[in-house]
Amino acid sequence: GIQVEQSPPDLILQEGANSTLRCNFSDSVNNLQWFHQNPWGQLINLFYIPSGTKQNGRLSATTVATERYSLLYISSSQTTDSGVYFCAADTGGGNKLTFGTGTQLKVEL
Amino acid sequence: DGGITQSPKYLFRKEGQNVTLSCEQNLNHDAMYWYRQDPGQGLRLIYYSQIVNDFQKGDIAEGYSVSREKKESFPLTVTSAQKNPTAFYLCASVGQVDIQYFGAGTRLSVL
Repeated sequence: GIQVEQSPPDLILQEGANSTLRCNFSDSVNNLQWFHQNPWGQLINLFYIPSGTKQNGRLSATTVATERYSLLYISSSQTTDSGVYFCAADTGGGNKLTFGTGTQLKVEL
Repeated sequence: DGGITQSPKYLFRKEGQNVTLSCEQNLNHDAMYWYRQDPGQGLRLIYYSQIVNDFQKGDIAEGYSVSREKKESFPLTVTSAQKNPTAFYLCASVGQVDIQYFGAGTRLSVL
């Protein structure tokens, strides 16, 4: 099956800093999603982005499907951005997502 | 409010016991999913159902069972055959646009 790798595994930022999280996948995808898991375990979908670029406030994402990677940009980070960011991908139908192991982000004052 | 409700939030299982985790959604979504998350790991798919009365095994279905008798409900039973059940269990549903929406999760521990 598809392999999903995320980097870096851990990241510590000062509030106000910008960051880029990367997701590499081993096969062509028809579904690529980014999620944020807060410290209490709740997962929230950030982007559905099998290709192209999207922006939502301070967050944006770009997927280059032909080169099999996706990037999540966080600008002007805030302490509430802390948590784990997951990338997940699917190669076929059924929305059977394969998750990466995540990037643990901590934003400090 | 529309959403996905998982219960209980915490659950303890005794040796040899079957336990059932509840997942209910009022989003009118057809597809529902169960995932397992171990500490420091990503999510792994246990079972999924794309329509009522039908479900398929995911990557780690051994030791688990599900049913889908109603569109709104997709309960997961962790059977005594699952020898390492301690984990965080997450339920999700998907509507027409392929975006997965998650419940708040159930933390299962073994006594």
